[in-house]
Amino acid sequence: GESVGLHLPTLSVQEGDNSIINCAYSNSASDYFIWYKQESGKGPQFIIDIRSNMDKRQGQRVTVLLNKTVKHLSLQIAATQPGDSAVYFCAEGGGTYKYIFGTGTRLKVLA
Amino acid sequence: NAGVTQTPKFQVLKTGQSMTLQCAQDMNHNSMYWYRQDPGMGLRLIYYSASEGTTDKGEVPNGYNVSRLNKREFSLRLESAAPSQTSVYFCASSELGQGKDTQYFGPGTRLTVL
Repeated sequence: GESVGLHLPTLSVQEGDNSIINCAYSNSASDYFIWYKQESGKGPQFIIDIRSNMDKRQGQRVTVLLNKTVKHLSLQIAATQPGDSAVYFCAEGGGTYKYIFGTGTRLKVLA
Repeated sequence: NAGVTQTPKFQVLKTGQSMTLQCAQDMNHNSMYWYRQDPGMGLRLIYYSASEGTTDKGEVPNGYNVSRLNKREFSLRLESAAPSQTSVYFCASSELGQGKDTQYFGPGTRLTVL
C-alpha cells in the first residue's frame, strides 16, 4: 500500500457531516494558496485555490478560508462523502517557482 | 486530454544503477517540475523548468539531473541510484509558474533502491 502519509494527523467525520481541515502556512509573503486532495497511490489533485486579496472562496461542496493575520488556511467540505476520504494538504506560492507544501491531514469518512 | 503522464509507475533499482523517469503534459503549460514525496514530509522540489530550454535546481537536486526535451516533456535522471533516493516521484506542470497558478500533478513513480 501507499507508505506516504504515515503518522499524519487524522480527522474522522461521519458521512454527511461537514469537515474542516486546517493549515498553518509559513511565509507571510505568500499570496497564492492551493488545496490538494491525494488518494492512496495517486498524485495530488487540485481542489480549490485562493489569492491573498480574498478571504473566502467557494467551490462545489468546498470552501477555502484565508486568514492572513494569523497565516491560517482552512478547507471546509460540506456533506462529507466516502469518496472524500484522502489526504488533504495545502500549498503556498509567492512569486517564485518554489511552492511550499504542507505535510497533510488524513480525512476518514465513517459510514 | 490526459493531463500529466509519467512512466514508469513502479521501478526497483539496485544501488549504483541509473534510470530516467519520463514526464509529459498535454496542457501546453510553460512550467514543469519534479518533486519527491517521503513519509511525514511535504513535497520537495528537485528541479524545475520555467520554460522550454531552461532548468533550475530546487530544494533537493543532488543526485539528479533533468532535461526539458521540448515544451511537453521533462525527464528526471538518476545517474547512480542510492537507497536515500527511494521515494515517490511526481511530475507537475503549470501554465504560468512563479507561484502564481495551480500545479497539476501526474500519477507518480514509486521507486525503490535496494
